[in-house]
Amino acid sequence: GAVVSQHPSWVICKSGTSVKIECRSLDFQATTMFWYRQFPKQSLMLMATSNEGSKATYEQGVEKDKFLINHASLTLSTLTVTSAHPEDSSFYICSARATGGSYNEQFFGPGTRLTVL
Amino acid sequence: GENVEQHPSTLSVQEGDSAVIKCTYSDSASNYFPWYKQELGKRPQLIIDIRSNVGEKKDQRIAVTLNKTAKHFSLHITETQPEDSAVYFCAASLRGSTLGRLYFGRGTQLTVWP
Repeated sequence: GAVVSQHPSWVICKSGTSVKIECRSLDFQATTMFWYRQFPKQSLMLMATSNEGSKATYEQGVEKDKFLINHASLTLSTLTVTSAHPEDSSFYICSARATGGSYNEQFFGPGTRLTVL
Repeated sequence: GENVEQHPSTLSVQEGDSAVIKCTYSDSASNYFPWYKQELGKRPQLIIDIRSNVGEKKDQRIAVTLNKTAKHFSLHITETQPEDSAVYFCAASLRGSTLGRLYFGRGTQLTVWP
């Protein structure tokens, strides 16, 4: 149980285009999903917290107009990188927190490697 | 917010030896402390976690200890094997946090030499 999928696993795009990444909880409902960015040999940097049916909460320094997050259902959250540039190239990972959990256990997706040319 | 410090940043051990990674946290309200193992290019995988009502937890070769007074927790890996080589992250989560955010340490690159 507690499986989180992410699609695509990797994507290469041209500078200026937009890329959408999907995060799905496959066998549980997730009220809250998290989006992280990870640079090589660094820790996970929280970008935003996504709650089903409401606006995402962005961390300081993360541009909400550039990284659009939608959490339309209890099993799906999407991250859209708009007008991508080479500096947006990174490993993006989502995680999901099960609804009703008394503690804050999170389950991670496999990540999406974004390369912007 | 919570601040989690993790040491060491790199750790090399011989196969069969033990490895210890230590983390400290700043907010006494934190009550959940997971440890994740991440192999290169892969997702972080939960390997063990501990809740604030427990001082120690063990799962085969892996154990975690928690000292709430000192606000630190440690990961212990015994009889290390080359496949234990990975980056390990500790994290802490605040009691009563409705969003359930995890605060991560910077990670420890563990290398186990055969």
